[in-house]
Amino acid sequence: GNSVTQMEGPVTLSEEAFLTINCTYTATGYPSLFWYVQYPGEGLQLLLKATKADDKGSNKGFEATYRKETTSFHLEKGSVQVSDSAVYFCALSDYNQGGKLIFGQGTELSVKP
Amino acid sequence: KAGVTQTPRYLIKTRGQQVTLSCSPISGHRSVSWYQQTPGQGLQFLFEYFSETQRNKGNFPGRFSGRQFSNSRSEMNVSTLELGDSALYLCASSTGGDSDNEQFFGPGTRLTVL
Repeated sequence: GNSVTQMEGPVTLSEEAFLTINCTYTATGYPSLFWYVQYPGEGLQLLLKATKADDKGSNKGFEATYRKETTSFHLEKGSVQVSDSAVYFCALSDYNQGGKLIFGQGTELSVKP
Repeated sequence: KAGVTQTPRYLIKTRGQQVTLSCSPISGHRSVSWYQQTPGQGLQFLFEYFSETQRNKGNFPGRFSGRQFSNSRSEMNVSTLELGDSALYLCASSTGGDSDNEQFFGPGTRLTVL
């Protein structure tokens, strides 16, 4: 079945450091890929998405490229801020599965000043 | 536009009881999905409703059920509560139809089973 695997956290970085959170997936169809972010005490917010191979999603300085050949969708940011501290979830949805999202286990990011 | 709202935000129940959670989607959204979030299992899909019909179902026992009303509001019910049902229950709404639709999440209902 479809699945998503993320690098384990927590990840602790200093402000202005480079961020990479690895995400790989297994899917039988042609999934859309997403990164969601969850701030403490809140629900999830969509950070970015990509719907086909080689698409790059970007938002708020974050980027991720849909790599079909390596089945990956790694999240990157060139310079993190304290306000980026949150839990990040990689997710996929398959074209015939409607609104169903399959999530990775989440990666907690802590950015220190 | 108002976001996704969930009520109640916090709930404490005892084993064996049943509980009903409510979700009001964003106006115009026809799809509502429910997820269970726990530290051990992460985020797991429960079910999705679209235009009052269950469109997808996750791997949860029959104690977990849901429904959607004609105004797209949705409820989920858990009967015969177990300690392991303690979790954050999130609902998400979208315009529906396509798998690449953005899902908008509510703040969740924190259920504690004692």
